[in-house]
Amino acid sequence: GAVVSQHPSRVICKSGTSVKIECRSLDFQATTMFWYRQFPKQSLMLMATSNEGSKATYEQGVEKDKFLINHASLTLSTLTVTSAHPEDSSFYICSARLQGVVEKLFFGSGTQLSVL
Amino acid sequence: DAKTTQPPSMDCAEGRAANLPCNHSTISGNEYVYWYRQIHSQGPQYIIHGLKNNETNEMASLIITEDRKSSTLILPHATLRDTAVYYCIVRPGSARQLTFGSGTQLTVLP
Repeated sequence: GAVVSQHPSRVICKSGTSVKIECRSLDFQATTMFWYRQFPKQSLMLMATSNEGSKATYEQGVEKDKFLINHASLTLSTLTVTSAHPEDSSFYICSARLQGVVEKLFFGSGTQLSVL
Repeated sequence: DAKTTQPPSMDCAEGRAANLPCNHSTISGNEYVYWYRQIHSQGPQYIIHGLKNNETNEMASLIITEDRKSSTLILPHATLRDTAVYYCIVRPGSARQLTFGSGTQLTVLP
């Protein structure tokens, strides 16, 4: 299957700092990528849709100024958590859409963010 | 997307077949059934999808009832590494994102 690489896998930062997470589709081009967040023992919640060359679309309740998304190329999307606070601590997962007759999503391995 | 109902948890003995059910009684004609799984602290992994015919790949088999209101994911010979949360998702083939429910926690026992 298609491979999506996500880095870093784990990050610990101090409150108030910004953290950047990268998501790359390694063997296919993805015009659309998605960012999810997952709290312990809960399911994945869609945060935003990242569109190559245009602004991201955010789900209701997700602050666009706090979670900055850039999708500058067909293989790379980045999520920057700005001025992180302890409540932003979560598991962040990206996915990339493989277009076809029936579209599939392939997921990165996730980033565990811990804000102290 | 059509709503799905899955049991919250299931156990299976190692080496035996694991049969994971999913109800999707409001499925529309253009909606596919997708299965993903998430091993602890990893991103979800695509398993299989189908529209109305049964499907099989190297990972699993998908059995969809004739009325398409339910389906079963079959792992023919479960191993300890199959312990994960399994998500059944129904959506049109051209839909963009996936909406995850609570899934089934499958625990394969030695």
